[in-house]
Amino acid sequence: NAGVTQTPKFQVLKTGQSMTLQCAQDMNHEYMSWYRQDPGMGLRLIHYSVGAGITDQGEVPNGYNVSRSTTEDFPLRLLSAAPSQTSVYFCASSPGQAAYEQYFGPGTRLTVT
Amino acid sequence: QQPVQSPQAVILREGEDAVINCSSSKALYSVHWYRQKHGEAPIFLMILLKGGEQKGHDKISASFNEKKQQSSLYLTASQLSYSGTYFCGTETDSNYQLIWGAGTKLIIKP
Repeated sequence: NAGVTQTPKFQVLKTGQSMTLQCAQDMNHEYMSWYRQDPGMGLRLIHYSVGAGITDQGEVPNGYNVSRSTTEDFPLRLLSAAPSQTSVYFCASSPGQAAYEQYFGPGTRLTVT
Repeated sequence: QQPVQSPQAVILREGEDAVINCSSSKALYSVHWYRQKHGEAPIFLMILLKGGEQKGHDKISASFNEKKQQSSLYLTASQLSYSGTYFCGTETDSNYQLIWGAGTKLIIKP
């Protein structure tokens, strides 16, 4: 099992550009989520999904869109990048939503100039 | 609301013990503990549920005081590999979204 994979590992964007961060898992997990982590801070939930076709907002959803067409994939789209979105982005999956171990991908380091 | 972790940082000599605390102002369903090394993804340590159930590693111990909505992670006989930042995440009965603390940085010196 590859676990949770994320691409790209690093990305530099100019203000106003859009892009999609890819996330995939091969563990047949129903629950997937996107977090951002700013320097010296904990993780903040952006969006999550409890299954294919179902997504919902987390703490900091503004500026981001998600979709979940398959169990395996959960891409995160930045609509119009802003310097405030410079961060490390982690995708995670788990068998369910409540009280399950989160399996994290390796992260994407995004810089917006 | 974000749980509060204390201390923010701690420096130990190898073999010493440490306690990391996590407290919330809300009634909790579960508390999660993860360790993150610099430049890496968080790694699961333990989940504590209200009612006393625990899931996680046998060599990591933690407690969950449901009355005070506090959890403590106990690291005994620390090893160099324990270095990293420890995060707690909390879930409430009304909202199973994990809300994370700001982290406790643990430095172990030989």
